[in-house]
Amino acid sequence: QQPVQSPQAVILREGEDAVINCSSSKALYSVHWYRQKHGEAPVFLMILLKGGEQKGHEKISASFNEKKQQSSLYLTASQLSYSGTYFCGTDDYNTDKLIFGTGTRLQVFP
Amino acid sequence: EAGVAQSPRYKIIEKRQSVAFWCNPISGHATLYWYQQILGQGPKLLIQFQNNGVVDDSQLPKDRFSAERLKGVDSTLKIQPAKLEDSAVYLCASSPERYTGTGELFFGEGSRLTVL
Repeated sequence: QQPVQSPQAVILREGEDAVINCSSSKALYSVHWYRQKHGEAPVFLMILLKGGEQKGHEKISASFNEKKQQSSLYLTASQLSYSGTYFCGTDDYNTDKLIFGTGTRLQVFP
Repeated sequence: EAGVAQSPRYKIIEKRQSVAFWCNPISGHATLYWYQQILGQGPKLLIQFQNNGVVDDSQLPKDRFSAERLKGVDSTLKIQPAKLEDSAVYLCASSPERYTGTGELFFGEGSRLTVL
């Protein structure tokens, strides 16, 4: 079951903040976040694990609500380099597969 | 450290022809994935290997797609015969972790397939 992301697209000015949400219909073991620039491979941002453990880049922050089966990625003081499409990936208890979400396209303008 | 290598980067074929993509994961990574990414969509898992064994291929259209990972290192993904809807970027990824949920996936640059 593919996780659903919202919003589908965000347009920001440099320095503004954004929140991207990811919602699943299944109980999750972990949530992953990746950013993909046009024509490039997805790049890892963060993993959030059940129980509160997080692995990832220090400048990225995210939350994982296990009960609601939701995660949010927080982008603060956005920079031009933040532009791209953000994908969450969810891993549930039964499958050990990473299923990517619908994507959120973020554009940051000067 | 060398990244995940994929080839070819681009391939244009006509429908009903065959094509093969190659992936060389990061050295020592036991888990290898093939994802299909259609324009404007998120990557869709086709097949997952743990060493040279298949962990999951439930989303692989087995009537036309096949994949193997010889000696637990390189992998090839083949499509025969190709259909128009196979036009996509085929991403290979690898991970040092045994369990998908616990580790970062390292992606290659992908192989872009256009079927005419």
